Amino acid sequence: GDSVTQTEGQVALSEEDFLTIHCNYSASGYPALFWYVQYPGEGPQFLFRASRDKEKGSSRGFEATYNKETTSFHLQKASVQESDSAVYYCALGTGANTGKLTFGHGTILRVHP
Amino acid sequence: DPKIIQKPKYLVAVTGSEKILICEQYLGHNAMYWYRQSAKKPLEFMFSYSYQKLMDNQTASSRFQPQSSKKNHLDLQITALKPDDSATYFCASSQTGAKNERLFFGHGTKLSVL
Repeated sequence: GDSVTQTEGQVALSEEDFLTIHCNYSASGYPALFWYVQYPGEGPQFLFRASRDKEKGSSRGFEATYNKETTSFHLQKASVQESDSAVYYCALGTGANTGKLTFGHGTILRVHP
Repeated sequence: DPKIIQKPKYLVAVTGSEKILICEQYLGHNAMYWYRQSAKKPLEFMFSYSYQKLMDNQTASSRFQPQSSKKNHLDLQITALKPDDSATYFCASSQTGAKNERLFFGHGTKLSVL
């Protein structure tokens, strides 16, 4: 079945550090890929999406590029801030005719001042 | 103001009881969903509704029954509760329910079954 693997369970950085969270997927065809972010006490929020090979999604300084060859959609940000501390989820669209998503386990990002 | 309202925020239940989780959305969307987030597991899709019709059901147990009384409501009835049902349940919505739409999530209902 379709699945998403996030390599890092937790990432600890200092402000202005470069961020990479690795996401790899397994699915047939051409699934859309998503990043969501979840702050404490809230539901996940859409960050951005990419739907085809080599497409870059971006928002709020975060970006990821769809790579069908390596089945990856790694999240990056050049300079993180303390306010970026949250849980980040990679997901893929698996519904044949619905907005159903399959999520990764999530990566906890802690940014220290 | 939150556009997707889930009630209650916290819920404690005893094993074997029945509870209803409430979800209302004020985004004018036509599709609604339930997801579950258990400890050490990723967010799991449960149901999707589009225009008040069930589109997809990934919940093996019939103890979980979605109820859509109005277009902007999708409640979740859980019967014969078990400790394994303890989780945070998130309601979500999207514009039409089409494939790959952006989802908007509520803040969740945290259910603890003792």
